[in-house]
Amino acid sequence: AQSVTQPDARVTVSEGASLQLRCKYSYSATPYLFWYVQYPRQGLQLLLKYYSGDPVVQGVNSFEAEFSKSNSSFHLQKASVHWSDSAVYFCALSRENSNNRIFFGDGTQLVVKP
Amino acid sequence: EAAVTQSPRNKVAVTGGKVTLSCNQTNNHNNMYWYRQDTGHGLRLIHYSYGAGSTEKGDIPDGYKASRPSQENFSLILELATPSQTSVYFCASGGQGGQDTQYFGPGTRLLVL
Repeated sequence: AQSVTQPDARVTVSEGASLQLRCKYSYSATPYLFWYVQYPRQGLQLLLKYYSGDPVVQGVNSFEAEFSKSNSSFHLQKASVHWSDSAVYFCALSRENSNNRIFFGDGTQLVVKP
Repeated sequence: EAAVTQSPRNKVAVTGGKVTLSCNQTNNHNNMYWYRQDTGHGLRLIHYSYGAGSTEKGDIPDGYKASRPSQENFSLILELATPSQTSVYFCASGGQGGQDTQYFGPGTRLLVL
């Protein structure tokens, strides 16, 4: 079985501050991991994904994430947030030979205060 | 760029009525998916398809049917809508590999009265 846990339902940060959104996964093998973002009244868009190699993955809009097998984590980070980063962020997991079934966490609402 | 469209974008239905949500993709992806999104539950998979003519049950298929008449189109059907099916529904398409990105439509807001 596999699962994704995002322990923070809501995170509030000030504009210009650094950000970390946490993601923990449960899966016996090495998973494929994704971060998606959902802006208000829109569908989900891919921010970045990890499937092999360098554990630090760069994504769009200066986001990055680090895969840690020892900690079963894939935390999302950004050095300096902008008000336009306010959105819901979803961590997700897929497996090899899964025919692209993706398992999503419950999401973290990010609020950036001006 | 990958494109997934959904119609209608908003729908009000009556309890017991039939509702059909439509999805079209121009990505030539084999796989298509229907999710619903509710506060506190993230995205939950209802039905998915590996190609034209195929449909598979996801994690919460009860009360829903799906139809994939072509590579491009995937419909979600609520034969007897209930208020508990009030939600936001998302369609997505993607490749067949575990590392492949899923591309999402803009969503359909369904209110069942």
